Amino acid sequence: AQSVTQLGSHVSVSEGALVLLRCNYSSSVPPYLFWYVQYPNQGLQLLLKYTSAATLVKGINGFEAEFKKSETSFHLTKPSAHMSDAAEYFCAVRPFGGYQKVTFGIGTKLQVIP
Amino acid sequence: EPEVTQTPSHQVTQMGQEVILRCVPISNHLYFYWYRQILGQKVEFLVSFYNNEISEKSEIFDDQFSVERPDGSNFTLKIRSTKLEDSAMYFCASSEEQGRGEKLFFGSGTQLSVL
Repeated sequence: AQSVTQLGSHVSVSEGALVLLRCNYSSSVPPYLFWYVQYPNQGLQLLLKYTSAATLVKGINGFEAEFKKSETSFHLTKPSAHMSDAAEYFCAVRPFGGYQKVTFGIGTKLQVIP
Repeated sequence: EPEVTQTPSHQVTQMGQEVILRCVPISNHLYFYWYRQILGQKVEFLVSFYNNEISEKSEIFDDQFSVERPDGSNFTLKIRSTKLEDSAMYFCASSEEQGRGEKLFFGSGTQLSVL
């Protein structure tokens, strides 16, 4: 079964610093990959998705992620953290082709320090 | 932006009781899902529903669970006899299509506490 591994359940960055949240996937065929964000007391919101059209994917709120097949990675980055970025971030995978469910990683809580 | 609505936001029940979690997906969406997140653990897939039938379910979704789309707008998850380990945040999601255009819209969740 396909899965994603998120390294670091908690990440702290200073306001204005680079945000890097790591995600590696396990799949022999490049799948669809997603990053979702969950703000406190809210549902999951799609940040961005990789669907094989381009390896560098830009999402909302200044986030982007790069698909690297050689590293089976899909890390999420943002050049400059803002206080409002504090949330939990989930990497997710769905196999390419046909109907398949989306499988989520364990999540990474991002803390932004003023 | 359209949103998925879930009610109630919190549900407390006694072990062995039945609960129904309610969701109103986005109106033109065709694919519906339930996920759950036990505190401190990953978001887990429970079930997907399309064309008025279950299209896939996980091993968690046993005979105690059922889903229904009773009236074309609501999508419900029923747990017949709740167990302590059913305590979790339950998320409903819907999407308009599958494949490259797929985008799951999630509700804000129902926190279920089984005592």
